[in-house]
Amino acid sequence: EAAVTQSPRNKVTVTGGNVTLSCRQTNSHNYMYWYRQDTGHGLRLIHYSYGAGNLQIGDVPDGYKATRTTQEDFFLLLELASPSQTSLYFCASSDRDEQYFGPGTRLTVL
Amino acid sequence: GDQVEQSPSALSLHEGTDSALRCNFTTTMRSVQWFRQNSRGSLISLFYLASGTKENGRLKSAFDSKERRYSTLHIRDAQLEDSGTYFCAAEAGGSNAKLTFGKGTKLSVKS
Repeated sequence: EAAVTQSPRNKVTVTGGNVTLSCRQTNSHNYMYWYRQDTGHGLRLIHYSYGAGNLQIGDVPDGYKATRTTQEDFFLLLELASPSQTSLYFCASSDRDEQYFGPGTRLTVL
Repeated sequence: GDQVEQSPSALSLHEGTDSALRCNFTTTMRSVQWFRQNSRGSLISLFYLASGTKENGRLKSAFDSKERRYSTLHIRDAQLEDSGTYFCAAEAGGSNAKLTFGKGTKLSVKS
């Protein structure tokens, strides 16, 4: 069974704050993804990666950076958080076919 | 417009009834995944299909193998625990393996 973990599970910060969301997968998958989910929308892709050191821009990248330090670890960085980034964030990994999702991180920017 | 269109957007069922959810794609897709999201926000993967049909208990999904432009999810004998929001997500192919999600179908099952 695929295992994708995320931390923290919940985070509250203030406008202008610096936030790092972490994702780890233990399946040796090459692909990893960061999504956000907002009311009225399905999940939307922020950034993704093919492997360590690789980064690709998704569909809603503005205000986000990401870094893939190892095959297992993918980080999402919000360097100047804004209230519009209040959302539920999901990480996923895949072997090119089925994607496996983490439990999500609820981020609130006050 | 949206590449992945889900219908209906909301559905209310009585226990024991059957239903069908649908996703239409504006372009040919390589594969489709179906998910259920519960009230706590957890995303549960139900099916991954690159073609044909798959069945798991009271759930069955199909992906149009000819034109690859739609997928369906059938729920048989609906139970209270089937309540939640159902998402389909499709991948168009190519090197990037990106999923595009629909906006979801909110299903309420009532006794």
